[in-house]
Amino acid sequence: AQSVTQPDIHITVSEGASLELRCNYSYGATPYLFWYVQSPGQGLQLLLKYFSGDTLVQGIKGFEAEFKRSQSSFNLRKPSVHWSDAAEYFCAVGNNAGNMLTFGGGTRLMVKP
Amino acid sequence: DTGVSQDPRHKITKRGQNVTFRCDPISEHNRLYWYRQTLGQGPEFLTYFQNEAQLEKSRLLSDRFSAERPKGSFSTLEIQRTEQGDSAMYLCASSLNRVNEQYFGPGTRLTVT
Repeated sequence: AQSVTQPDIHITVSEGASLELRCNYSYGATPYLFWYVQSPGQGLQLLLKYFSGDTLVQGIKGFEAEFKRSQSSFNLRKPSVHWSDAAEYFCAVGNNAGNMLTFGGGTRLMVKP
Repeated sequence: DTGVSQDPRHKITKRGQNVTFRCDPISEHNRLYWYRQTLGQGPEFLTYFQNEAQLEKSRLLSDRFSAERPKGSFSTLEIQRTEQGDSAMYLCASSLNRVNEQYFGPGTRLTVT
């Protein structure tokens, strides 16, 4: 069975500071990995995805993530956070059949001015 | 707007009533997914369709939940005899095929009183 753990429920960073959100997954084969962002009352917007190839993937809004198979991790990073980045971030793993995503519990990001 | 749309955005119903939600996927997408998201949690997979065929429904939460996609375009999710525990955000997503990312709609927030 596939699963995702996001160890940090809440993170607060200052505007302009760097950000790293942690994600650990469990899946028997090569996973499809995703990061989504959700603003209050909204649906989920895809930030980036990893299917294969280069383990450092670039996404929208200046985000990037690195797949580390040895650590079963797919951490999300941004070098300089903007106040508009305050939201909830979800990591997800997809199976090879492409029939479902399993999400972590999310990390709520707050940005201090 | 060519994204995934859901209707209604909000639904308040009394316990024991039936409710139906509609999802219109991105037009060229052949796969459609339903998820449920409760407060403070990540989305939880419910069911999915490839064209009009419902290929996975074992994760529907109970036999009170059913979904259809009669012509392979829009889909409906019905909850019969609603209970207070059904209060949640119901999210729909679509994808082009099994190896592509899922795009989410804004969700329908259900409140059962």
